[in-house]
Amino acid sequence: RKEVEQDPGPFNVPEGATVAFNCTYSNSASQSFFWYRQDCRKEPKLLMSVYSSGNEDGRFTAQLNRASQYISLLIRDSKLSDSATYLCASPSGGYNKLIFGAGTRLAVHP
Amino acid sequence: DTGVSQDPRHKITKRGQNVTFRCDPISEHNRLYWYRQTLGQGPEFLTYFQNEAQLEKSRLLSDRFSAERPKGSFSTLEIQRTEQGDSAMYLCASSAELLAGGRMNTGELFFGEGSRLTVL
Repeated sequence: RKEVEQDPGPFNVPEGATVAFNCTYSNSASQSFFWYRQDCRKEPKLLMSVYSSGNEDGRFTAQLNRASQYISLLIRDSKLSDSATYLCASPSGGYNKLIFGAGTRLAVHP
Repeated sequence: DTGVSQDPRHKITKRGQNVTFRCDPISEHNRLYWYRQTLGQGPEFLTYFQNEAQLEKSRLLSDRFSAERPKGSFSTLEIQRTEQGDSAMYLCASSAELLAGGRMNTGELFFGEGSRLTVL
């Protein structure tokens, strides 16, 4: 089993929709999780950090479910500009290297 | 721009040639990472430096790959005798040990724009 797994999608949603992605992790000792956004042929950029139960930033909400070992990202009122790949990541081992999932593609259409 | 910079941005080479990529991290960051990303996959960890010390290398990093950070500032990643399977985006990231307010950084990485390698 991979350390971090995501549904690759794509998720095709209309503008204004609410969409949610899940990410499962295998290391029950992980204390922090991250959602990165990656536009096509660009570098990943940090979107949100999740250290405890969850985090909210505007239209974006990240939640952590330790019992089931998954984190979720909820995007409300989707915009065309939200179209991107969303990468889930968790530190692994020492030195804080991040292990990334394969990413979930989101396409928001008019 | 004070972000992470990588050079070259694109490299096309023939199989068997050597290539070298350079990464200049954010100046106050003491941690530097190399990742590799192929189409449809997330970034895969290759190696990590804290200051000038290379503290971890992935099993993905074969003997043909070598990374250095001689003065604890910029880093180079060299691939010798390139193979077609080496074609990928090579991403460099840096981070600080502590975040604003003294909180321990547990995973906030700042990535460069990457160096895209194509091996023909």
